Amino acid sequence: AQSVSQHNHHVILSEAASLELGCNYSYGGTVNLFWYVQYPGQHLQLLLKYFSGDPLVKGIKGFEAEFIKSKFSFNLRKPSVQWSDTAEYFCAVTAKGSARQLTFGSGTQLTVLP
Amino acid sequence: ETGVTQTPRHLVMGMTNKKSLKCEQHLGHNAMYWYKQSAKKPLELMFVYSLEERVENNSVPSRFSPECPNSSHLFLHLHTLQPEDSALYLCASSQEDRDQPQHFGDGTRLSIL
Repeated sequence: AQSVSQHNHHVILSEAASLELGCNYSYGGTVNLFWYVQYPGQHLQLLLKYFSGDPLVKGIKGFEAEFIKSKFSFNLRKPSVQWSDTAEYFCAVTAKGSARQLTFGSGTQLTVLP
Repeated sequence: ETGVTQTPRHLVMGMTNKKSLKCEQHLGHNAMYWYKQSAKKPLELMFVYSLEERVENNSVPSRFSPECPNSSHLFLHLHTLQPEDSALYLCASSQEDRDQPQHFGDGTRLSIL
């Protein structure tokens, strides 16, 4: 079974600061990786995904993530955050070829101060 | 608009009540899921239905009873719940056996008195 670890539970940044949220997973096989975002009072939305190919993936709203297979990591980055990025961010993993066993990390609450 | 609609958005019930949560997906997916989201905990997968058959039940107490009458609808029947069952219940759908993400509804915020 896979597991996901998000090391930062709460991150507070000022606007225009750079962001990096850590995500490490544990699984013996090939994986698909996701970052979801949940804005206050809204549903979980897919931010970006990695299935194969270029390990640097770009998502919506200027976010990107890099898959480093040797480190079992899929860290989320944004060069300059905005107040509207305040939300909870979840890293998730599934085994390749199946959407069923989606395992989530515990989430990171990002607060961006104006 | 996510393509996955959950009702009601909020529900307050006593421990002896019986209620149901409803989920409908308009994406043509063949798998549907119930998750429980509690504060400061990872999302917990409760049930998975694939092609209207329950394929996973992750040690969920019997006071939660899912029903999937067709590939577009999913219910979660609740009875004699406990205060620790208060949480956000999320429904999701996906096209199984494909490298595709799950799509989530807005959730039902459940409070047990």
